Amino acid sequence: GESVGLHLPTLSVQEGDNSIINCAYSNSASDYFIWYKQESGKGPQFIIDIRSNMDKRQGQRVTVLLNKTVKHLSLQIAATQPGDSAVYFCAETPYSGAGSYQLTFGKGTKLSVIP
Amino acid sequence: DVKVTQSSRYLVKRTGEKVFLECVQDMDHENMFWYRQDPGLGLRLIYFSYDVKMKEKGDIPEGYSVSREKKERFSLILESASTNQTSMYLCASSSRWAAGEKLFFGSGTQLSVL
Repeated sequence: GESVGLHLPTLSVQEGDNSIINCAYSNSASDYFIWYKQESGKGPQFIIDIRSNMDKRQGQRVTVLLNKTVKHLSLQIAATQPGDSAVYFCAETPYSGAGSYQLTFGKGTKLSVIP
Repeated sequence: DVKVTQSSRYLVKRTGEKVFLECVQDMDHENMFWYRQDPGLGLRLIYFSYDVKMKEKGDIPEGYSVSREKKERFSLILESASTNQTSMYLCASSSRWAAGEKLFFGSGTQLSVL
């Protein structure tokens, strides 16, 4: 039958505020994680990645935090802008290095920036 | 910049038709992937290929096949389209030497099967 109620989690943030998007993963063997951003009508775009030997990595206006103890990943966006409005996906893979072909994607979080 | 081009942005097909979705990448990437994206379900891997004429099943290969005759082109085939294959289809590529994780995606093909 048809599935209903499969709505994306939504986060609404005022322009200029910081955003935090969370992701829980289940595979304790995952050791490489990526955040993707998908704008309306476009394919996902790489934002930032982190390996399991790190707990924090910073990019331009973005920071990824990894807590392996509770299998939790977060993406922080500083000074959120209207152009940040998009769906954000986390993705994980159990091993890095050549041959790591299969990413497992989260279901996504929709970020809406209020001007 | 890496460019992954999907031949159609929107497609409407009838149940039972054979459907071809084409994808071309211009960065000489070894790995290519086909995902489908459905509301609330995220991205699910259908098939991938790590070399010409090589293919591997992903998580949901049933009802699909693929073809990779040239390094830059990866085709997804729906042998007999069904309504439950109505979805957004995303092609991606990556370099083997970048560990395969950093995928570059096309803009997607929204397929409607009536």
